[in-house]
Amino acid sequence: NAGVTQTPKFQVLKTGQSMTLQCAQDMNHEYMSWYRQDPGMGLRLIHYSVGAGITDQGEVPNGYNVSRSTTEDFPLRLLSAAPSQTSVYFCAAGLGNEQFFGPGTRLTVL
Amino acid sequence: AQSVTQLGSHVSVSEGALVLLRCNYSSSVPPYLFWYVQYPNQGLQLLLKYTSAATLVKGINGFEAEFKKSETSFHLTKPSAHMSDAAEYFCAVTLNTDKLIFGTGTRLQVFP
Repeated sequence: NAGVTQTPKFQVLKTGQSMTLQCAQDMNHEYMSWYRQDPGMGLRLIHYSVGAGITDQGEVPNGYNVSRSTTEDFPLRLLSAAPSQTSVYFCAAGLGNEQFFGPGTRLTVL
Repeated sequence: AQSVTQLGSHVSVSEGALVLLRCNYSSSVPPYLFWYVQYPNQGLQLLLKYTSAATLVKGINGFEAEFKKSETSFHLTKPSAHMSDAAEYFCAVTLNTDKLIFGTGTRLQVFP
């Protein structure tokens, strides 16, 4: 039982490049979410999904796309990376008082 | 809409001293409240949670928090700080059917 896994752990991109941050869970939670963490700002919700085929925007969705084709996977796509997207990204599974976080992906955009 | 405010972005204590990290919440209905800890270069780990049972909640590593409705507070305490407690701590709120809303975090430093 791995819980929530994220890949890669670290990534460096150049401005304008695209990439996908992977997130997978083996707990069968319908609800999954992506947060970004920036110094002094806590964690801010980017996108979330209440089940396969259903996604919605969070607090800071601009520049990010998501899809949810299976219960297990919830990838986050950066179509054209910008330096403002330099951050640590956390994926979570579960809702409310049962939410579990992955180990994070540290992304640097040059 | 619910929100949390963490007072003090940095707190410094001596080893063995009391740890007090402050969190105040805003919610139109009784919320669920959480404290998470993040050690350097790691993910978030749940310390404790309040889900409308006992108002004094005990968590891991000797931490506890008390839900005070009259003060809309959920402060985190530990009687005696240890060097290994140095980390960033986040308070969060949810209505259980909704997403987690995080505070901006408090970085705890522990001096020998």
